[in-house]
Amino acid sequence: EAEVAQSPRYKITEKSQAVAFWCDPISGHATLYWYRQILGQGPELLVQFQDESVVDDSQLPKDRFSAERLKGVDSTLKIQPAELGDSAMYLCASSKRDGTDTQYFGPGTRLTVL
Amino acid sequence: GESVGLHLPTLSVQEGDNSIINCAYSNSASDYFIWYKQESGKGPQFIIDIRSNMDKRQGQRVTVLLNKTVKHLSLQIAATQPGDSAVYFCAEYTSGTYKYIFGTGTRLKVLA
Repeated sequence: EAEVAQSPRYKITEKSQAVAFWCDPISGHATLYWYRQILGQGPELLVQFQDESVVDDSQLPKDRFSAERLKGVDSTLKIQPAELGDSAMYLCASSKRDGTDTQYFGPGTRLTVL
Repeated sequence: GESVGLHLPTLSVQEGDNSIINCAYSNSASDYFIWYKQESGKGPQFIIDIRSNMDKRQGQRVTVLLNKTVKHLSLQIAATQPGDSAVYFCAEYTSGTYKYIFGTGTRLKVLA
């Protein structure tokens, strides 16, 4: 069964350092999502790609966060510099066409900023 | 694994009973609604969805009800099993704006 892959699973970094997360969606899925989930809360959508284009990044803190999906397949989310408040689970999901299709989530990357 | 939903509202039900989890959504323009199940250390898993032109949809042991008048969504789980213990999130999607919003979640505990 196809799955969304994410790496690393866990990342510990010091504040002011740069971190990057990688996501490989299910093959053939056009839409890719990055979410941030703080412990005890629901996931918050950071950015949504349709193929290689960003269709929504209204909740992405653009002063320190960036995301790209250059060839419309895998994607990277970067934080530079990391802050203590960035500690969270970063989830990637993909869907076949758009937001009305089932989203399949990866296992997430747990980020701890010290 | 890590704990999801340490401070979430909790619903405790006896094994074999029916569970009802409620959700209030925020945007009257939302046209697609989804329920997810999240176990500790894992990403959310799709359970069932419903579009705004429907008010009820049934799956295997689960039913989703949508009341657009009061912007309310509910998930009913029949014959709740220990494996149903998890945190449940509702989500709403607005097609025109690509907005995808998750609710705060409810922890379901199944008592043996």
